This record gives sequence, structure tokens and C-alpha cells, in this order.
Amino acid sequence: DSGVTQTPKHLITATGQRVTLRCSPRSGDLSVYWYQQSLDQGLQFLIQYYNGEERAKGNILERFSAQQFPDLHSELNLSSLELGDSALYFCASSPLGGWDIQYFGAGTRLSVL
Amino acid sequence: AQRVTQPEKLLSVFKGAPVELKCNYSYSGSPELFWYVQYSRQRLQLLLRHISRESIKGFTADLNKGETSFHLKKPFAQEEDSAMYYCALQGAQKLVFGQGTRLTINP
Repeated sequence: DSGVTQTPKHLITATGQRVTLRCSPRSGDLSVYWYQQSLDQGLQFLIQYYNGEERAKGNILERFSAQQFPDLHSELNLSSLELGDSALYFCASSPLGGWDIQYFGAGTRLSVL
Repeated sequence: AQRVTQPEKLLSVFKGAPVELKCNYSYSGSPELFWYVQYSRQRLQLLLRHISRESIKGFTADLNKGETSFHLKKPFAQEEDSAMYYCALQGAQKLVFGQGTRLTINP
């Protein structure tokens, strides 16, 4: 167990809907990263937060947004969902925001029907 | 632009045979490269990174800047090495992953 917790494990929703995925980093880790894994695109970096501030942005759609709260947990909001958004969404955390050591959560599997 | 290519989606070898998982990258700066592994029903985890020049679980990877490669090697495969392996490149404030190679070790 990496200590990174993601909820829910599975999420089934319909097109056009909005969902929120939650990530609790390892105790003491300041940085959170979000990734999307799909059959088409593989594993893609979405966004990184460090101590509450956005630090790096990857291939995140405008329909998606994220934030990191004062207690360091993070939420990824996906809106106006499309079938193609169905994927496994991973969260990872690291102590200081570097890219070398990241601890991954088990992921949230999103199915858009 | 950053790009990571893992040319083999699937790789199958026999136990005890040597293993090489290929990774090629494209990046104009000085790259930092990693190998991640995901065993069945487990989380993605870091296997090794080139700056450490270490051997983890018998695996090594050498960065070849001339060939822009970072192939993962193990001289004698074990059944527990069966997993999904991802090569990743860090640059320009993001991590880019290859498509992954599913390694199967046959008994």
C-alpha cells in the first residue's frame, strides 16, 4: 500500500454529467499529480499541485479542473462528460513536488455510458 | 516536444532467458528517465531511474544519449517479472509515459 487513497474506486455515470474524484496523498506529501489512463491515449499526465498551488499542467481538457485543499487532499472535477472520458484516473503524491519519486494510488475507474 | 516510444506492446520470454524492454525518447533538453512497473492488481510503482544507476530486482537500464534510448534489461527472467512496464521521461515540468509493454514470463 503506497498510502495514497483514491475514492471512489469505480464510478459509472452518463454523458453530460459532472463527477468529482478525490485523492488523499501520503501523510506529509505536499504534491499531488493526476493522470489519466485510457486504451487510446495510454497514461497521460493531467495536472500537478504543490502545497495548494497549481505547479504544472499537462494534457488536461478545459472541461476538467482540479484543486488542492489546505489539508492537502485534492479533487479532480470532470464536467460535461463524454464517452471518451471513460478511463482510469490515477493520483500520485510526492514529498516535495519533484518528478522522481511518486507514490501512486489505486485509481478511480470512470465509466461514462 | 517530449515523446517516449515503447515499440513492443507485448513481450513474451521464457523463464531464465534474458529480457530487454525497449524505450526510445525524443527530447531536446537533458532528459531524466524512469521505468515504472505495474504488477497484476497492484499500483503503478517506480522501478528505477537513470540518475540512480542502480539495479532493482535484477533490472538495469542505461541511458544512451546517442541512440536516445533507455532500454530495460535483466539477464535471467523470473516468473514474478510478469507485469506492465512503462518508460517515462521527465522534462519541461511534466512526465510523459510510453504506451507500455506487457511482459509475460513463461515457465
